[in-house]
Amino acid sequence: GQQLNQSPQSMFIQEGEDVSMNCTSSSIFNTWLWYKQDPGEGPVLLIALYKAGELTSNGRLTAQFGITRKDSFLNISASIPSDVGIYFCAGSSGSARQLTFGSGTQLTVLP
Amino acid sequence: NAGVMQNPRHLVRRRGQEARLRCSPMKGHSHVYWYRQLPEEGLKFMVYLQKENIIDESGMPKERFSAEFPKEGPSILRIQQVVRGDSAAYFCASSPLQDGELFFGEGSRLTVL
Repeated sequence: GQQLNQSPQSMFIQEGEDVSMNCTSSSIFNTWLWYKQDPGEGPVLLIALYKAGELTSNGRLTAQFGITRKDSFLNISASIPSDVGIYFCAGSSGSARQLTFGSGTQLTVLP
Repeated sequence: NAGVMQNPRHLVRRRGQEARLRCSPMKGHSHVYWYRQLPEEGLKFMVYLQKENIIDESGMPKERFSAEFPKEGPSILRIQQVVRGDSAAYFCASSPLQDGELFFGEGSRLTVL
């Protein structure tokens, strides 16, 4: 089956720093999604990417759909305490039911 | 407009008992998905349902697990004769369209003793 490698597994950064995380896939995806999950909550969609090479921003978040369609990255600029959580990438080569999730990046923002 | 509602939020069962997890999709959404999340892992697709129909159950274990989405009422994920390995968070998501954005509920956390 499809596999997603997400890195890093965890990050500790100072408030105000920028952070970057990425996902690579063993196969081509048509859609890349980035979710954030707070403790005890369900994932919330941050950014959706539908085209190779697409660069999309949502406030301080920027994500890109890799040209090869096998990778994507998420950048968070000027981190703040509420950015703490687990960030998941997810890819799809077809419909929503075929979403494959990465294993997550646990982000900790130190004051 | 209420989001996806799941209950119970937490469920404790002994080995061999049954677990029933319920999911009410967002208003106007007729597509429901169930995902399972093991500790420190991403979500894994289990089953996709529309009203009264199972569309794709390729991620569902062949035994002990079943799902339904009746004409009236919530979607139900049923796990019979639970084992310790069933301990996980089970998330429901709904969508207004077949390939539309998924809106996730807060999850039901099952602990099997």
